[in-house]
Amino acid sequence: GAVVSQHPSRVICKSGTSVKIECRSLDFQATTMFWYRQFPKQSLMLMATSNEGSKATYEQGVEKDKFLINHASLTLSTLTVTSAHPEDSSFYICSAKTSGVNTEAFFGQGTRLTVV
Amino acid sequence: GDSVTQMEGPVTLSEEAFLTINCTYTATGYPSLFWYVQYPGEGLQLLLKATKADDKGSNKGFEATYRKETTSFHLEKGSVQVSDSAVYFCALTGNAGKSTFGDGTTLTVKP
Repeated sequence: GAVVSQHPSRVICKSGTSVKIECRSLDFQATTMFWYRQFPKQSLMLMATSNEGSKATYEQGVEKDKFLINHASLTLSTLTVTSAHPEDSSFYICSAKTSGVNTEAFFGQGTRLTVV
Repeated sequence: GDSVTQMEGPVTLSEEAFLTINCTYTATGYPSLFWYVQYPGEGLQLLLKATKADDKGSNKGFEATYRKETTSFHLEKGSVQVSDSAVYFCALTGNAGKSTFGDGTTLTVKP
């Protein structure tokens, strides 16, 4: 299957700083990528849909000014957690959608963010 | 919207026992169905998938069949091992590429 790479896999940052997470589709072009968040011992919830060349679509309750998404190329989407606080500590995971008849979404490895 | 309902856990089994984790879904259109496994502190790993009705996904002794008539995708394994202890997520991906996950089922296998 297709490969999606997410970086970094783990990051610890100080409260008030910003953190950028990258999601790359390595062997296919993805016009659409998705960002999910998983709090401890909970399921994954969709945060936003990232569309290449246009603004991201955020799910209800997700602050677009806090979670900045940029999808500047067909192989890269970034999620920036701005002014991070301890309650933003979570596991963030992206997926990228292939195009064509048999479209499928492939997941990155995830990023564990800890804000101290 | 789409939803996935997964058997509540936790599930505790003895080694070599038979495993079933139930999963049912509601969705518009024709979603693809997945089981993912997550080990402590790690990301999601795709365990198996099925993309159309009556397909059977299988991997590492685990199986699940896409049942459109019952909107189900139950996970089974004939003989579990201690190393199978993990959290299992049932999920569907719709035509737009969005994925919807169940709440996860924690499996503990005791020697």
